[in-house]
Amino acid sequence: NAGVMQNPRHLVRRRGQEARLRCSPMKGHSHVYWYRQLPEEGLKFMVYLQKENIIDESGMPKERFSAEFPKEGPSILRIQQVVRGDSAAYFCASSPTFGGFTDTQYFGPGTRLTVL
Amino acid sequence: GESVGLHLPTLSVQEGDNSIINCAYSNSASDYFIWYKQESGKGPQFIIDIRSNMDKRQGQRVTVLLNKTVKHLSLQIAATQPGDSAVYFCAEIVSGNFGNEKLTFGTGTRLTIIP
Repeated sequence: NAGVMQNPRHLVRRRGQEARLRCSPMKGHSHVYWYRQLPEEGLKFMVYLQKENIIDESGMPKERFSAEFPKEGPSILRIQQVVRGDSAAYFCASSPTFGGFTDTQYFGPGTRLTVL
Repeated sequence: GESVGLHLPTLSVQEGDNSIINCAYSNSASDYFIWYKQESGKGPQFIIDIRSNMDKRQGQRVTVLLNKTVKHLSLQIAATQPGDSAVYFCAEIVSGNFGNEKLTFGTGTRLTIIP
């Protein structure tokens, strides 16, 4: 009964490098959400994806950030040419239904990205 | 812009006492709210939710109160335990641009239970 899995849990990159964050949703879940959390702040919505489709990317920075959720495999959040301001915790959540809430959006443990 | 925020960033409570965490929201169109608990190094965990047609909802040791008149939300935790130490976020549901819903989180309150 695995929950949402994210890897790596910790990622260190130097400025200018690329960061790839992976999220495996709960079994049977086809909706994935990515959030970013800066220290001492709440989570900020980035993007909502379904299999092979980006549904809502209104929270994604216009440049350097991209996300995908292929038919097979985990969802990937990709940050190109990282800068120090990208240092944050990135959380993935999954749900089994369209946009449904209450307790149907389950969060992973997060990936903590540090940019040196 | 619209936002969800909290009055107190930190709160220390003696074990066994009750705690109250407050949250103010500004989007009058929000009709659904959730409280999350986040322990160190972990993702948010759902605690309890409430819809705008309610003013109170109770769970196990937790109660959420909603005052729509002053746009205020609170989380009451009864008989606190050391395991209640965490950061607590209120979040409101807003409609996305594509018929989806997304969470808007407040800043959070760090609750520390003193043994």
